[in-house]
Amino acid sequence: AQKVTQAQTEISVVEKEDVTLDCVYETRDTTYYLFWYKQPPSGELVFLIRRNSFDEQNEISGRYSWNFQKSTSSFNFTITASQVVDSAVYFCALRLISNFGNEKLTFGTGTRLTIIP
Amino acid sequence: GAVVSQHPSRVICKSGTSVKIECRSLDFQATTMFWYRQFPKQSLMLMATSNEGSKATYEQGVEKDKFLINHASLTLSTLTVTSAHPEDSSFYICSARGTGPYGYTFGSGTRLTVV
Repeated sequence: AQKVTQAQTEISVVEKEDVTLDCVYETRDTTYYLFWYKQPPSGELVFLIRRNSFDEQNEISGRYSWNFQKSTSSFNFTITASQVVDSAVYFCALRLISNFGNEKLTFGTGTRLTIIP
Repeated sequence: GAVVSQHPSRVICKSGTSVKIECRSLDFQATTMFWYRQFPKQSLMLMATSNEGSKATYEQGVEKDKFLINHASLTLSTLTVTSAHPEDSSFYICSARGTGPYGYTFGSGTRLTVV
């Protein structure tokens, strides 16, 4: 099976706390791409990061960091010193190639993050 | 950066009428465009994939005759919801795949309400 699981449906933390959003994926492909997107209340999807399966280096961008571990098929996202503006739904996604050669993104069910002032 | 413009952002239509949603890539050529539907508090579900100049590929369970997709140029794809019913009310989002490596740019979405 090829799918993305975000077990945390909703998380609430107090501002300035750190928070980690979990993402576990399943795929038979050896080459694949993982993504994280942010969806604020306005609805548009904001791209956060893309990572290919051959690059297991962790990445840090400001208050955001990502931990990619192929051994556990996880691609977790951590926000440090959270801010109210971080409140949104966060989606993890996996790029797949179908049997017909078509590509598509399969999204997890999302994690709704609420930062409490 | 790559920008995708999606219009309208909100639309209310009467049951039985048709609604067209446009998705335009403003500063790049989109070889492939994707249409997603998102119900409240749910994930994005891919409806169909379209390549410029060819017929769209629909996901299982999506009615081709109800959701008409046209990708007539490298910068424009349209989704027409025909004979809309209240259960079609949803948030529709398009995404464009450019020529860059595995980049996807999303439109801002269209909230459709069928009354």
